[in-house]
Amino acid sequence: QVKLLQSGAALVKPGASVKMSCKVSGYTFTDYWMSWVKQSHGKSLEWIGEIHPNNGATNFNEKFKGKATLTVDKSTTTAYMELSRLTSEDSAIYYCTMATTVVTFAYWGQGTLVTVSS
Amino acid sequence: DIVLTQSPALAVSLGQRATFSCRASQSVSVSRYNLMHWYQQKPGNQPKLLIYRASNLASGIPARFSGSGSGTDFTLTINPVQADDIATYYCQQSRESPWTFGGGTKLELK
Repeated sequence: QVKLLQSGAALVKPGASVKMSCKVSGYTFTDYWMSWVKQSHGKSLEWIGEIHPNNGATNFNEKFKGKATLTVDKSTTTAYMELSRLTSEDSAIYYCTMATTVVTFAYWGQGTLVTVSS
Repeated sequence: DIVLTQSPALAVSLGQRATFSCRASQSVSVSRYNLMHWYQQKPGNQPKLLIYRASNLASGIPARFSGSGSGTDFTLTINPVQADDIATYYCQQSRESPWTFGGGTKLELK
């Protein structure tokens, strides 16, 4: 059974950074792309970027270049996303999601709520 | 970027058919593949894959869900609608990066 378990909610101050995690089990971590998706309150979904756990290759939505950094730890089958220089616009739920050979977002984590507030 | 347009809401009665539309700003079909996917999201939950490549049912999804379409116009159908189907439905394209989602259609009961 595929599981993506994300880290808990975070309350962070404007200008700070936050790093969240996504632990994968029941799936061959290094075979498929891992993406991160943003969902602002009551709004639709935005793709941030993706990383291939096998070699660390990344692709980003231009909108999030410089905002998000994606990394992985193959030894613990965990993916990470760090968001920097946070503003209120970054307050949202962030999902990790894994691809298969036929679809980009086959499996989803439960989401991490990030609140940016002083 | 490929823009996907969905109607904001759809109201149906239980037991009736619900038809969701998604229109892409350019074709998302390549060769025989229609690179459009559908997701269901219930309040407080993560999205769940329903249909991949326009018409293929994801694992564990009931047969009352179906998808069709090609090029720029795609449809998700639920027939018959059950109470458990109340959710927001998103289309998403994987034809061209950045991968994009539609604005979502909220299914409501009449």
